[in-house]
Amino acid sequence: DTGVSQNPRHKITKRGQNVTFRCDPISEHNRLYWYRQTLGQGPEFLTYFQNEAQLEKSRLLSDRFSAERPKGSFSTLEIQRTEQGDSAMYLCASSLGQDIQYFGAGTRLSVL
Amino acid sequence: GENVEQHPSTLSVQEGDSAVIKCTYSDSASNYFPWYKQELGKRPQLIIDIRSNVGEKKDQRIAVTLNKTAKHFSLHITETQPEDSAVYFCAASRSNYGQNFVFGPGTRLSVLP
Repeated sequence: DTGVSQNPRHKITKRGQNVTFRCDPISEHNRLYWYRQTLGQGPEFLTYFQNEAQLEKSRLLSDRFSAERPKGSFSTLEIQRTEQGDSAMYLCASSLGQDIQYFGAGTRLSVL
Repeated sequence: GENVEQHPSTLSVQEGDSAVIKCTYSDSASNYFPWYKQELGKRPQLIIDIRSNVGEKKDQRIAVTLNKTAKHFSLHITETQPEDSAVYFCAASRSNYGQNFVFGPGTRLSVLP
């Protein structure tokens, strides 16, 4: 599968724990995006990278959230001190420049 | 910031009929409008998109129209089939500024056999 890959697919954690998700974009895509999707809603933008530079962050991205893309390839999204309100599907997308965004299958986070 | 509204939230049609989903946006600087289809438990997949320099685009049974003056755009699906059943999301973005999408809340389309 040469599409956007996300791991893990599901994550169950206890409140207060830290979690980290990984996204591998389509090869040679220079832009990578993170979105959050809750049940019955459209994806909400969190942050985006062009190569290794994080160029934009949403107000939704509190200081407990951090994202990195150290070598301009894969990216990680870490949530510290998880809260029940963090339960959602976290989607990653990638694009080549200003072209179409291709989405991964997401990581479903459940905070107990 | 941009705000995208989408109607209806649910839509049921008989197989073979047409379906229309409408979205409005608030930021007149938005210039790229994609539509994504998301089946249960699967990733959003682009089905059609339109840029602000055209008013209509068609791809087989799917078409999108854009009215920049009124700031609304619509998805039209003709000759619907059961496999068209899914949640459809519209989005708007400013392609010369990051291109992060602002999505509508989605429309759940059910095509009844």
